[in-house]
Amino acid sequence: TQLLEQSPQFLSIQEGENLTVYCNSSSVFSSLQWYRQEPGEGPVLLVTVVTGGEVKKLKRLTFQFGDARKDSSLHITAAQPGDTGLYLCAANTGNQFYFGTGTSLTVIP
Amino acid sequence: DSGVTQTPKHLITATGQRVTLRCSPRSGDLSVYWYQQSLDQGLQFLIQYYNGEERAKGNILERFSAQQFPDLHSELNLSSLELGDSALYFCASSVTPRGGHETQYFGPGTRLLVL
Repeated sequence: TQLLEQSPQFLSIQEGENLTVYCNSSSVFSSLQWYRQEPGEGPVLLVTVVTGGEVKKLKRLTFQFGDARKDSSLHITAAQPGDTGLYLCAANTGNQFYFGTGTSLTVIP
Repeated sequence: DSGVTQTPKHLITATGQRVTLRCSPRSGDLSVYWYQQSLDQGLQFLIQYYNGEERAKGNILERFSAQQFPDLHSELNLSSLELGDSALYFCASSVTPRGGHETQYFGPGTRLLVL
């Protein structure tokens, strides 16, 4: 059983479309992070969300932390081919980081 | 470039063999994490070192061991290798800014193929 479940697992969309990916858990976290990983490279941190209900924006990416701090979403507006990659959520339980199952996004030009 | 370096980038070996993966953290980072990433298991935490001491252990097999040296670089030793050990192995170093949250910086990874 994974601590963090992400959905969808795979997503293929046309350039210009909007999309949302989800990260869900039955556990409560003090913070949650989102990473993007491109093929052949390590994950790169995009954002950390801390407060329940918090919304953070990074250009066309909008991150939201659930009110109960058990889940999070990532919304991408007008997706670009450069957004292609594996999106991972991660939570720090105090003594280690748990990573979600990942959403593999492909944006078709 | 995250500032974390890992060597080698690729490694091909046979079952039963032993290999050593090396990681140099970002300058000033005291904490080093090791992860294994495979298609079916995702990114799995193996072990963490902080300033030379083991701090946390995850899903690390007994055949695997790690250490962090006084210069803060770290090595992950994988022995009695099996086909299922084929994966990407990542190292990450981290910093916790004053009043902030721990941020990990990942290296480019070592791709291990066991034949």
